Order: sequence, then structure tokens, then C-alpha cells
Amino acid sequence: GAVVSQHPSWVICKSGTSVKIECRSLDFQATTMFWYRQFPKQSLMLMATSNEGSKATYEQGVEKDKFLINHASLTLSTLTVTSAHPEDSSFYICSAREIGYEQYFGPGTRLTVT
Amino acid sequence: AQKVTQAQTEISVVEKEDVTLDCVYETRDTTYYLFWYKQPPSGELVFLIRRNSFDEQNEISGRYSWNFQKSTSSFNFTITASQVVDSAVYFCALFSGGYNKLIFGAGTRLAVHP
Repeated sequence: GAVVSQHPSWVICKSGTSVKIECRSLDFQATTMFWYRQFPKQSLMLMATSNEGSKATYEQGVEKDKFLINHASLTLSTLTVTSAHPEDSSFYICSAREIGYEQYFGPGTRLTVT
Repeated sequence: AQKVTQAQTEISVVEKEDVTLDCVYETRDTTYYLFWYKQPPSGELVFLIRRNSFDEQNEISGRYSWNFQKSTSSFNFTITASQVVDSAVYFCALFSGGYNKLIFGAGTRLAVHP
């Protein structure tokens, strides 16, 4: 149990375009989902926290207009990188939590912006 | 403040050696959870262990063991008789209810050579 999927697993897009990443909890209802970003050889940095049906809470320094997060249902959250640029190239990881503290991580999405 | 420190950036060992990965944490909360994750080259985080602040018992799982000491705010991870498949980045993480976020250390990159 407690499986989280991400789609796509990797994506290449051109500079200036937008790309959407999906995060799904497959066998539980995720009241809270988290989006992390990881640059090469660095740790996971929390970008934002989203609760189902409400606006996401962004960490300091994360542009909310650039990284649009939607958590429209208890099993799906999406991260849209708008007007992507090469510096947005990174590994994006989502996690989902039902209640309490236990978080389950997705396999990650590798974004390359050319 | 919440903080996790993994002072060892990279460790290189020869197969069959024992290796200990250090983790020191800071929190003002009395109830908190500590985690270790493994991140192989594929990028997907693999959960290894969770410990709550009230359980200081050491744990052993096969070649893996963990030493939790509240007196020194440390949660160290030892791999006995290391194998090449243990090569990965290992993250220590902290969650407390007061902060309500999972905070990662910088990670330790372990290379096990044949």
C-alpha cells in the first residue's frame, strides 16, 4: 500500500513553454501533498505544501506564479512550471500524506529545459 | 529552529568494510520523528527507517543498524559489511508536529568499491 506515482518520469521542453507534472496517490486519500525540488548533488528542498481544495502554501523564495500547484482531489496534485527556462531544469519529487506525519514519495520527474 | 546536519558529504569504502553515516538534528519540539532514506542513481527515495522521539531503542535490520541518542541529538546509521549495491546518497530527515514539515539533511554520498 501507500503508493505514489508521478507522470511523466522525465520530460524535455523548450524554453518558454509550460510543463505539467502529475502526482497521484494510488491507494490512499492524500489530504496533503508536497512538492520538492532537487538539483544535482543537492538535497531535497520543499517548494510548497498543498491541501486538497485549498491554495498551496509556498516556501520562501519559490515563485508562486511560476510554479502553479493544484490539488483538486484527494488523489491528484499537479505542478505546472510556466514559461520554463533552463535554470528550472531539475528533479521534481512529490510526496503525499493522509494523516499524521507519514509521507510517501513519488519516483520523481526529471525536467530538462532546452 | 529545525535543522538536520549530515557533516559527511562523501564517503568511499571498499566492499565488506563497515561504514557509519552521521546525522545530528535540532528541534525544540519534544515529539518528533527521524527518518533515513536511500536515494540510488535512479532518483527514487527508498524509505529505510523511522524513529519517534520517545523510542531510543537501537534497531538492526540485516546489515543495517541505527543508533538514536537524544542526549547528543544524533541518529547515526551503520552499514555492516558494505556491498556495491549500497552505493547511493543517504538522507536523514526530521519531522515535528510544531513545524509540520519534513526537513532533509544535505545527504551523504556513499561509494562502495569492489
